[in-house]
Amino acid sequence: EDQVTQSPEALRLQEGESSSLNCSYTVSGLRGLFWYRQDPGKGPEFLFTLYSAGEEKEKERLKATLTKKESFLHITAPKPEDSATYLCAVGGETSGSRLTFGEGTQLTVNP
Amino acid sequence: ETGVTQSPTHLIKTRGQQVTLRCSSQSGHNTVSWYQQALGQGPQFIFQYYREEENGRGNFPPRFSGLQFPNYSSELNVNALELDDSALYLCASRTGGRSTQYFGPGTRLTVL
Repeated sequence: EDQVTQSPEALRLQEGESSSLNCSYTVSGLRGLFWYRQDPGKGPEFLFTLYSAGEEKEKERLKATLTKKESFLHITAPKPEDSATYLCAVGGETSGSRLTFGEGTQLTVNP
Repeated sequence: ETGVTQSPTHLIKTRGQQVTLRCSSQSGHNTVSWYQQALGQGPQFIFQYYREEENGRGNFPPRFSGLQFPNYSSELNVNALELDDSALYLCASRTGGRSTQYFGPGTRLTVL
């Protein structure tokens, strides 16, 4: 059974204070690891897909990296508008197209 | 905006009633999945439809059922509603293979 654990549960940063969010996973044959951003009461917004260990992707202040056991979402010089819940999900070879999500990290960036 | 739309936005039902939620997939996407997200938790996979047939299901009872139509739009039906069914219901669409799933805005269901 695929499993995803995210840490920390909540993170409070000052504007400009860089940090990282962690996503640890176990999956039988990784088809993809996905990062989403979710604002309160809204659907998840796609950020990145990573397919293999060593892969990295960047978008504005965000950078996602992947190893065989975990993924990190690095946030550089965050702004208050980066405040949201960040969700990590995996798709495995034996689970079809189902995504298994972690419970998310709630990020708050104070001005 | 992903192009995935859901209706209604909010819904209030009482225990024992039935509900139908609707989803319109992003153009060109032939696969749709439904997820349930309880407050403070990650989304949980309910089921997936491809070419109008269910081809994957999570740990949800048979009172959760669905349909996919030839235009790839989809419905989620829940019978005999229970209080624990209160959640945000999310629809996600994608093309085949390892492609990314794109989510709609969700329907907030409250069961009283």
